[in-house]
Amino acid sequence: AQSVTQPDIHITVSEGASLELRCNYSYGATPYLFWYVQSPGQGLQLLLKYFSGDTLVQGIKGFEAEFKRSQSSFNLRKPSVHWSDAAEYFCAVGAGDYKLSFGAGTTVTVRA
Amino acid sequence: NAGVTQTPKFQVLKTGQSMTLQCAQDMNHEYMSWYRQDPGMGLRLIHYSVGAGITDQGEVPNGYNVSRSTTEDFPLRLLSAAPSQTSVYFCASRRERESYEQYFGPGTRLTVT
Repeated sequence: AQSVTQPDIHITVSEGASLELRCNYSYGATPYLFWYVQSPGQGLQLLLKYFSGDTLVQGIKGFEAEFKRSQSSFNLRKPSVHWSDAAEYFCAVGAGDYKLSFGAGTTVTVRA
Repeated sequence: NAGVTQTPKFQVLKTGQSMTLQCAQDMNHEYMSWYRQDPGMGLRLIHYSVGAGITDQGEVPNGYNVSRSTTEDFPLRLLSAAPSQTSVYFCASRRERESYEQYFGPGTRLTVT
């Protein structure tokens, strides 16, 4: 079965600085990869997804992620963080059993 | 479209009580699922359904029942609530099993005392 690891539980970043959130997965083939964002008290919103093709994918809110097969990673990036980006971010993996496995999440705090 | 809706938003139960968490979607999605979210554990799959009349267990099904009599609705029943079921519950739907891209409801925060 597939698994997902988000090594960073909490990241603090200054407004305007760049952000990178790490995601590593374990699966024998190329999985479907997702990043979701959860604002406080809200449900999960899809930021971006990777199914195949170009390994650099663009999402909403200025986020992008890069799939690196050799590193089994799908890291999320944003060049310049806004205060509204403070939230919890989840990486998810879909594989052959049609189920999505979620990482434990990374909480992002944005300081002024 | 309203998307995925859940009721109630908040609920407090006493140990041993039963209740049903409601979930509905208006996107004509075949696949629906229930997750629970606990701190530091991400989302864990409770039950899922690939279409009306078909349900199956996920990762943490004990203590929960589901049914899917229509495409739109997928209620989650807690038969005898326990403090370990204190959590935030999310319902999700997607077009079909193979599409993977899921849409989530706003969640129900449940406390069992």
